[in-house]
Parts: sequence; C-alpha cells; structure tokens
Amino acid sequence: AQSVAQPEDQVNVAEGNPLTVKCTYSVSGNPYLFWYVQYPNRGLQFLLKYITGDNLVKGSYGFEAEFNKSQTSFHLKKPSALVSDSALYFCAVRDGTGGYNKLIFGAGTRLAVHP
Amino acid sequence: DTAVSQTPKYLVTQMGNDKSIKCEQNLGHDTMYWYKQDSKKFLKIMFSYNNKELIINETVPNRFSPKSPDKAHLNLHINSLELGDSAVYFCASSLYSAGANVLTFGAGSRLTVL
Repeated sequence: AQSVAQPEDQVNVAEGNPLTVKCTYSVSGNPYLFWYVQYPNRGLQFLLKYITGDNLVKGSYGFEAEFNKSQTSFHLKKPSALVSDSALYFCAVRDGTGGYNKLIFGAGTRLAVHP
Repeated sequence: DTAVSQTPKYLVTQMGNDKSIKCEQNLGHDTMYWYKQDSKKFLKIMFSYNNKELIINETVPNRFSPKSPDKAHLNLHINSLELGDSAVYFCASSLYSAGANVLTFGAGSRLTVL
C-alpha cells in the first residue's frame, strides 16, 4: 500500500531562517506527491505537487519541495520563514489501488515560527 | 462565493442520537470526499463519490451513510452516535479527470459526542 511518513511532530524555526519539513514515501510505481497546509480551524489548502519532471517543485506562499527518488523523500522547504507560516503541514501520496484515486496523508508536522 | 461549504460548523450531541452534515461545492468538480480528522490531527478518507456514484468506501462502520443527490452535494448521515465519532469531518472536492487529485477542502464540521 502507498504511504507517507512525516518523522517530526513539530519543527521550530526562527523567523527569517530557512525551514525544512520532512516527508518520506513508500509507493509501488511512480509517486504522485503533495503538500497541504492547515491553519487553525480551517480546512487543508493545497501547496504543491510532484507528478513528473523537475525534482524541485515550486508552490504557493514561497514554498518549494524537492523530490529525491534515491532517498524516497519529498521534503518541504522555504528559504526564509515567516511567523504566518506557523501551521500544520501534511504530506500526501496518491493511491490508485482499486482503480480509483485517493490521497493518503501523513500524520502531519506542526511548524512553529518564532519572532 | 465559498468553494466548498459545510454545515453545520459545530455539532454537539448526545450518544445514541442521529445527525447529518451537509456539503456543497460550486467549483464544477465531479468528485467529492469525506475525510475524518481525529484528535491527534490524523486525517483519513472515509468515502468518495464521482458523479453521484460511490467509488471509495473505506472501512467505516455502517452507521455512517453518505448520500450524493447530485455531483455538487455530498451529505453524511451518522446513526447511533458514539463517543469515538467525535472528530472534525472535512468535505473535499476535486476534478477526477485531472488525475492528480488536487483537493479543495471545506472548513470542517467539528462533531462532539457527549
């Protein structure tokens, strides 16, 4: 079965510093990978996706993610963190088992950006 | 002009009661989903409908019954509520033909069972 793992429950970073939120995946076949963000009391919002092509994917709000096939990773990054980036971040993988696509989400990583 | 709207936003009820959550999307999407987010923020798919047809039905108790009267609406009815049903339920939609599953989520419906 397809799955993703987010090894960190929480990531703390100072405003202005670079941030990385980690994600590793386990899939059969080519991975379709996603990052979503959830702000307090809100639904998830799509940030970016990797389907094929360049390993560095750029998304919303200045975020980017790097697909690394050899390490089966898809880490989310941002060069300079903002306090407003503080939220819950979910990595997800598409699972097409059974003929219909669905997203399988990781457990989430809470990002706390301190002033 | 909300894209995916859910009602009610909050629902507090007693064990054993029956309740419904409604979802509507105005994005022209053909696929809708229900996800459950537990107290540890873990998110798990429950159901999915494509053009009113049930296509995904995860291991969910049959006390949960989704209904899709048309492709813009997906409702969730829960019978005989239990304490463990307390969670935030998210509706989402996507355009299935796009293949890459970019979901648009509603703001969630927080269900508390006492």
